[in-house]
Amino acid sequence: LAKTTQPPSMEAYEGQEVNVSCSHTNIATSEYIYWYRQVPHQGPQFIIQGYKDYVVNEVASLFISADRKLSTLSLPWVSLRDAAVYYCIVTDRVGYKLTFGTGTSLLVDP
Amino acid sequence: DMKVTQMPRYLIKRMGENVLLECGQDMSHETMYWYRQDPGLGLQLIYISYDVDSNSEGDIPKGYRVSRKKREHFSLILDSAKTNQTSVYFCASSFTNSGNTLYFGEGSRLIVV
Repeated sequence: LAKTTQPPSMEAYEGQEVNVSCSHTNIATSEYIYWYRQVPHQGPQFIIQGYKDYVVNEVASLFISADRKLSTLSLPWVSLRDAAVYYCIVTDRVGYKLTFGTGTSLLVDP
Repeated sequence: DMKVTQMPRYLIKRMGENVLLECGQDMSHETMYWYRQDPGLGLQLIYISYDVDSNSEGDIPKGYRVSRKKREHFSLILDSAKTNQTSVYFCASSFTNSGNTLYFGEGSRLIVV
């Protein structure tokens, strides 16, 4: 399994766009990139997944570098509700064993 | 309504007592999971269940066992709880073919004194 590296924390103001980076230098060709987030006192929540290039949904967008060693989760117009820990996970599509590291703690200021 | 429900949400037990944490889901997901979360350690996978009576150890199964007799229900059992099992326990579920899109419950906070 590829190991991921994320910044431990980030801070932003409401209304800003936030980009959370994730390095996965040893990602295998069979592996996908998943992002989850966890707000206090709740379980993690799936945000987005991707394999290459660019993926977008109603919550976020995900940019994956051409060599797939770096991905960036982009959150447009963050609000206080987006304050959470964001986890980047790399694993096989049906591997079932998601490994959650310590993630990136996003603080949002009013 | 897509929901994973955990009971109880909070529990205090004495060392050596047995603990039963229960999890239910209403999505007919085949696969269910138990994780624990401790400060600074992220989430650690305890057990996976691929369907009724089809369970597999995760990364930290020692001291735990599970039971899945119905697809919608997955139990985590601690026989003779230890103080180092104080943690927040999360249950999750997913469709087998949905990749790794997991739905998590709100967690069960266990304190062993």
